[in-house]
Amino acid sequence: DIVMTQSPLSLPVTPGEPASISCRSSQSLLRVNGYHYLDWYLQKPGQSPQLLIYLGSNRASGVPDRFSGSGSGTNFTLKISRVEAEDVGIYYCMQGLQTPRTFGPGTKVDIK
Amino acid sequence: QVQLVESGGGLVKPGGSLRLSCAASGFIFSDYYMSWIRQAPGKGLEWLSYISNSGSTTDYADSVKGRVTISRDNAKNSLYLQMNSLRAEDTAVYYCVRDRHPSNYYGLVGWGQGTTVTVSS
Repeated sequence: DIVMTQSPLSLPVTPGEPASISCRSSQSLLRVNGYHYLDWYLQKPGQSPQLLIYLGSNRASGVPDRFSGSGSGTNFTLKISRVEAEDVGIYYCMQGLQTPRTFGPGTKVDIK
Repeated sequence: QVQLVESGGGLVKPGGSLRLSCAASGFIFSDYYMSWIRQAPGKGLEWLSYISNSGSTTDYADSVKGRVTISRDNAKNSLYLQMNSLRAEDTAVYYCVRDRHPSNYYGLVGWGQGTTVTVSS
């Protein structure tokens, strides 16, 4: 199984400032089609998870452009250009390359 | 837009069974693989199972293999998860999600409110 790790696990942020979360996989998430099968999900407090980014860098429908995903191979990053109060919650990365699909442990983002 | 509504959760004794259902709308259900994901109280997300768009292919996490069966009825736009030999550690919120298309991948979409399964005597 592919093991996903994230850092940091806790991230206090200041509204208006940038933020970044790292995700690593135990093996490359690159498929022969050239895409990296890495997603990012956000679970806001008391809510179900929602898709933010798929295939490493594609924003899901309705996701603000302050969110961006990048990376390759086994190292990926989610960046928030300017954090807003509504961005608090737990961010999970997940590999969609193979089953079992596996998630990172989550990064809890809250306001300083 | 993609809408998925889970049902069938509840309180069950250890060793008991439950059948979860998921009603899909807003997309061509028969075109997509579907997955079940769960989240134990205060814990992270755990993928459990998926089924191909035709229903011919299924896969399971080791934690539930042999105890759960995923199925679908494309005529009814519905997904199911039959859970047997339930254990306390199966206590969680269970989500169904739209998974991949046979020729494309768009992430796991359509997270509903989930259905809560509590296994306790």
